[in-house]
Amino acid sequence: GAGVSQSPSNKVTEKGKDVELRCDPISGHTALYWYRQSLGQGLEFLIYFQGNSAPDKSGLPSDRFSAERTGGSVSTLTIQRTQQEDSAVYLCASSPQGPREQYFGPGTRLTVT
Amino acid sequence: AQTVTQSQPEMSVQEAETVTLSCTYDTSESDYYLFWYKQPPSRQMILVIRQEAYKQQNATENRFSVNFQKAAKSFSLKISDSQLGDAAMYFCALTNNAGNMLTFGGGTRLMVKP
Repeated sequence: GAGVSQSPSNKVTEKGKDVELRCDPISGHTALYWYRQSLGQGLEFLIYFQGNSAPDKSGLPSDRFSAERTGGSVSTLTIQRTQQEDSAVYLCASSPQGPREQYFGPGTRLTVT
Repeated sequence: AQTVTQSQPEMSVQEAETVTLSCTYDTSESDYYLFWYKQPPSRQMILVIRQEAYKQQNATENRFSVNFQKAAKSFSLKISDSQLGDAAMYFCALTNNAGNMLTFGGGTRLMVKP
């Protein structure tokens, strides 16, 4: 079956612009996660959605970052007023309910110039 | 808070030989799950193997096996009969019973020499 998909694959933006990153999880997976992978910080958890529950936003680095998940499926990560330190690969993952393994998408490489 | 440490930034192995990647972790949870993920240059994180902390038996997936030492909080990955396609970054990861996030180690870059 289809895996997790993310778009765009690469995004170059100017400092101060807003960007939206999209994630399509595996069909039927109730949990969805966003992570950030950067050279200096490794892999960092950003946000977690589980079904219709309120998301766990504890990993979001600032209020410029937000995410939503519509209809329990597709998710969008929005970064407002991008900064150069936001440059990283943003990975999305989904999982069936419970502490199961997470399946990752190919990531979006964001470059802020 | 939970932490995962991979002390080997880089490892090298000869094709067809065996290599072991180290991972230690810390958690206050009694129920948790450990994983090894592989990330080739394509960026796609691929699950290699999974271990439930309540299981004493070490997990095995074909050429990949783990040595899970719960008391020592150690979770090493052994790759047997290494192949060129095994070259990648390998990440050790931990999640608790709620499954609300993965905590990753810093990764080990594995090079396979022909």
